[in-house]
Amino acid sequence: EVQLLESGGGLVQPGGSLRLSCTASGFTFSIYAMTWVRQAPGKGLEWVSAMSGTGDITYYADSVKGRFTISRANSKNTLYLQMNSLRDEDTAVYYCAKSTEKYGSGRLWGMDVWGQGTTVTVSS
Amino acid sequence: QSVLTQPPSASGTPGQRVTISCSGSSSNIGSSYVYWYQQLPGTAPKLLIYRNNQRPSGVPDRFSGSKSGTSASLAISGLRSEDEADYYCAAWDDSLSGWVFGGGTKLTVL
Repeated sequence: EVQLLESGGGLVQPGGSLRLSCTASGFTFSIYAMTWVRQAPGKGLEWVSAMSGTGDITYYADSVKGRFTISRANSKNTLYLQMNSLRDEDTAVYYCAKSTEKYGSGRLWGMDVWGQGTTVTVSS
Repeated sequence: QSVLTQPPSASGTPGQRVTISCSGSSSNIGSSYVYWYQQLPGTAPKLLIYRNNQRPSGVPDRFSGSKSGTSASLAISGLRSEDEADYYCAAWDDSLSGWVFGGGTKLTVL
């Protein structure tokens, strides 16, 4: 069974940093692109970032570009999201998701299985 | 304001057929596959439709997707109370080099 488990969320002050992790199991992690999506309280889904299976291709939403960094450790079946210079508007539940396709470019990385999410609260 | 446009709400009675629309542009829906997600209250989103009209295993055939030009739609037939949820469309956007979501449609089963 494919499973994704996010961790690392918490309360952080504006301007602070946080690193989220997503541990995967039940599939060959290294051949699937992975994505981070967030959902602010009471709001809709917002795509944040995505990375290819090999880690050589990354994409970011304009809202986080230059502040967030996506990475992965295939030997550990783990995806990361390093979040710096956090703002109030980054407060959200952050989900990681596996892509539907094994390879290909970003346009094929639709989100398949999702984790349960981890909550990030940015507040002073 | 979301790049993809969905009606904020939809409703139907048990057994009825309802459709949810998703409107975009040539840089997203017009040139990419459309995906649909269901989010039950307090849970993570679940993939309902991928590649415009494909259902993952385990998704009932009551759910169907279609795409025409720069618009897409999700149809739910034989509406059931457990279908009450938020539904989101998504697509890759060539101009943004990223994925975009619709604002979501809250489906109420009357």
